[in-house]
Amino acid sequence: AQSVTQPDIHITVSEGASLELRCNYSYGATPYLFWYVQSPGQGLQLLLKYFSGDTLVQGIKGFEAEFKRSQSSFNLRKPSVHWSDAAEYFCAMNYGQNFVFGPGTRLSVLP
Amino acid sequence: NAGVMQNPRHLVRRRGQEARLRCSPMKGHSHVYWYRQLPEEGLKFMVYLQKENIIDESGMPKERFSAEFPKEGPSILRIQQVVRGDSAAYFCASRPGQGDEQYFGPGTRLTVT
Repeated sequence: AQSVTQPDIHITVSEGASLELRCNYSYGATPYLFWYVQSPGQGLQLLLKYFSGDTLVQGIKGFEAEFKRSQSSFNLRKPSVHWSDAAEYFCAMNYGQNFVFGPGTRLSVLP
Repeated sequence: NAGVMQNPRHLVRRRGQEARLRCSPMKGHSHVYWYRQLPEEGLKFMVYLQKENIIDESGMPKERFSAEFPKEGPSILRIQQVVRGDSAAYFCASRPGQGDEQYFGPGTRLTVT
């Protein structure tokens, strides 16, 4: 069955440290892939997306993600985390009319 | 271009009452999705609609829940005879067509007392 997994429920990093959030998908072909961020009490905001082409995609707020077909992964990275990055991060995939979201990873940032 | 709008932002209902959640998609968007988010959980797909049509309602409970997206006006998610377990945040998302990302509204937080 098609699914998106995010192995880390909760990650804590220090401000200024690098960040990598993991995402794996299960689908027979290459889907469209997305990362969204949700601040407390807010809706979801799109960080970046992968449709095709260059496997390293740049997003807003200094985030990037790399698509690796061999690993069915689409990990999100940021070289230096800011306190304002503390939020919930969701990986999602789209195939046809269907959207599937991962369970989310909560990011905490230590001062 | 205004984003996806949802109202009300907060809704309190007593058990047994009806809840009506509204979603106005972005201008030019004809595809609407509804999701439910329980506390500390991810998004669960409920229903996908295009104008005047329900395309996929596989994520919606068979009873008490219904959704519509009329030719004119917002999309409506209706929950009849609410129960405590319906308390959640309900998000609407829209997109212009297939192959595009979704744009999310701010959500409606339903509390059933």
